[in-house]
Amino acid sequence: KNEVEQSPQNLTAQEGEFITINCSYSVGISALHWLQQHPGGGIVSLFMLSSGKKKHGRLIATINIQEKHSSLHITASHPRDSAVYICAVPPPSYGGSQGNLIFGKGTKLSVKP
Amino acid sequence: DVKVTQSSRYLVKRTGEKVFLECVQDMDHENMFWYRQDPGLGLRLIYFSYDVKMKEKGDIPEGYSVSREKKERFSLILESASTNQTSMYLCASSLGQTGNTIYFGEGSWLTVV
Repeated sequence: KNEVEQSPQNLTAQEGEFITINCSYSVGISALHWLQQHPGGGIVSLFMLSSGKKKHGRLIATINIQEKHSSLHITASHPRDSAVYICAVPPPSYGGSQGNLIFGKGTKLSVKP
Repeated sequence: DVKVTQSSRYLVKRTGEKVFLECVQDMDHENMFWYRQDPGLGLRLIYFSYDVKMKEKGDIPEGYSVSREKKERFSLILESASTNQTSMYLCASSLGQTGNTIYFGEGSWLTVV
């Protein structure tokens, strides 16, 4: 089974700070997902990446396949970035579990004005 | 715009009641999932389906059943609700192969009293 660890669990930042959230997993994967969950519940997919780096606005996701590690960076953080950020990876084998994901427990980010 | 719609946002049910949570997606996705989310435990998979009338147990299927009679609709059933099923329930869908973006509904907050 693939284990997914996120750090930190909780993060408080001042508006404008550069933020990094980390994700490590134990078994090789084809792709890694970063998700965002705002208070109230709905989850939005931010990135899916299998190598290198992706950027969308102030968000940057990187992955190092050899080290089994990914980071999510937020530049010039803003209070509206306050949310839970979740890392997810597919299980190591198929056989009926295609499309399924294993989730980290999430990092709760609070950005203060 | 892609959409996963959960029928009820907030529900309060009595112990022993039969509860139906409905989920509809408009993206012609093969895979559909039901998760529950509890503080400190993250997202846990209850059941998933990779085709009409097909279902697979996830990590915590006890006390739940599912139905997928049409491709766009995936229902979660609590045969006899119990207080330990008080939780937030999230439906999701994705295209067939692992590595595709997963789309979530807004979540259903269920309280069993």
